[in-house]
Amino acid sequence: KNQVEQSPQSLIILEGKNCTLQCNYTVSPFSNLRWYKQDTGRGPVSLTIMTFSENTKSNGRYTATLDADTKQSSLHITASQLSDSASYICVVKIGGSEKLVFGKGTKLTVNP
Amino acid sequence: NAGVTQTPKFRVLKTGQSMTLLCAQDMNHEYMYWYRQDPGMGLRLIHYSVGEGTTAKGEVPDGYNVSRLKKQNFLLGLESAAPSQTSVYFCASSPDRDLPQPQHFGDGTRLSIL
Repeated sequence: KNQVEQSPQSLIILEGKNCTLQCNYTVSPFSNLRWYKQDTGRGPVSLTIMTFSENTKSNGRYTATLDADTKQSSLHITASQLSDSASYICVVKIGGSEKLVFGKGTKLTVNP
Repeated sequence: NAGVTQTPKFRVLKTGQSMTLLCAQDMNHEYMYWYRQDPGMGLRLIHYSVGEGTTAKGEVPDGYNVSRLKKQNFLLGLESAAPSQTSVYFCASSPDRDLPQPQHFGDGTRLSIL
């Protein structure tokens, strides 16, 4: 069964600290892996997309890694800001399909 | 550039009523999708369209119908609303399924069925 598991479910950190969110998937065939940020009351917004051959990809203070062998990805946030408070969703695209498998998300709270 | 626009933003219905949710995109995208998001669950695909005049079932299509008469619009209909359809509905679009392009999401329609 195609599944995407994210951990932790929720995380609270202080402003300025770093954090890492985890994503494990059992999707086959694999096409690409996406990280989305969803602010409360808004739709998800794409942060990164990683294909099979990409190990690391950065978008500002966000760095995503992908290990296709172990089927794991992580999203590292550096020097967190209050505006980083949101849910972060890991999404895997099924190869040869228009369908995405969504994780349940990690809810990040950044406190001053 | 509005991106993906959903109307209405909020709606309360009584069981058995019908309504249509409208999604409009101005990016000339071929692919459009309707998802629902429920607490403690990931987004689930209801229906999708790979181009004007086409529709296809997703993961949870029962109780919903869709139409794509124009490329820029994708309508989601509830024929007879049920409390189980209380959810937040998101529309998304993408240019091509085979390219690593992100889906662009609207800000959702919050629907409550009493």
